[in-house]
Amino acid sequence: GESVGLHLPTLSVQEGDNSIINCAYSNSASDYFIWYKQESGKGPQFIIDIRSNMDKRQGQRVTVLLNKTVKHLSLQIAATQPGDSAVYFCAEIRAGGTSYGKLTFGQGTILTVHP
Amino acid sequence: EPEVTQTPSHQVTQMGQEVILRCVPISNHLYFYWYRQILGQKVEFLVSFYNNEISEKSEIFDDQFSVERPDGSNFTLKIRSTKLEDSAMYFCASTSGVDTQYFGPGTRLTVL
Repeated sequence: GESVGLHLPTLSVQEGDNSIINCAYSNSASDYFIWYKQESGKGPQFIIDIRSNMDKRQGQRVTVLLNKTVKHLSLQIAATQPGDSAVYFCAEIRAGGTSYGKLTFGQGTILTVHP
Repeated sequence: EPEVTQTPSHQVTQMGQEVILRCVPISNHLYFYWYRQILGQKVEFLVSFYNNEISEKSEIFDDQFSVERPDGSNFTLKIRSTKLEDSAMYFCASTSGVDTQYFGPGTRLTVL
């Protein structure tokens, strides 16, 4: 079936290191992808998004890479800080790439940053 | 910065009781959503709402669920007869349609 999934459930890094969180998707028709960060007891917080006509997008300390050939999405966090510790979800929208379609979330990766 | 708000933060109810979860989306947004997250699992789509009607719903959103936008600011999710398996975090989200979906802090529903 169609799904969005994550390769690794947990990731531990040292403060200052770069982090890479991966996500695989199975629906080649998906054309809008978003990374969310969820801290304990809070709702998902938008980090960065990318459309399928792009292969890279950069934000502040974060970069999202999209490889449509292998249907793979990654989130890179530069100089990871303890405040980055959270669960990270990738999500996709299939409704023609509009931001108002339903989000389909992956399982999530727990990122732990050690000081 | 505008944000989505939800009340209550935690709702405890007995099985079979009705609950209403409330959300105030961001004021200029037009599309509204409910998602849920069972403890330790991924976030799941329940329903989307636009122009005062449901635009899409998942198989989870059965006849026990309903949504309403009773006035210009509130967006509610009602569960008519709660079941144990309805226990979860319920998140409201909204978008203007050209921006991403912004989530509220969630309501933790515990059904005993």
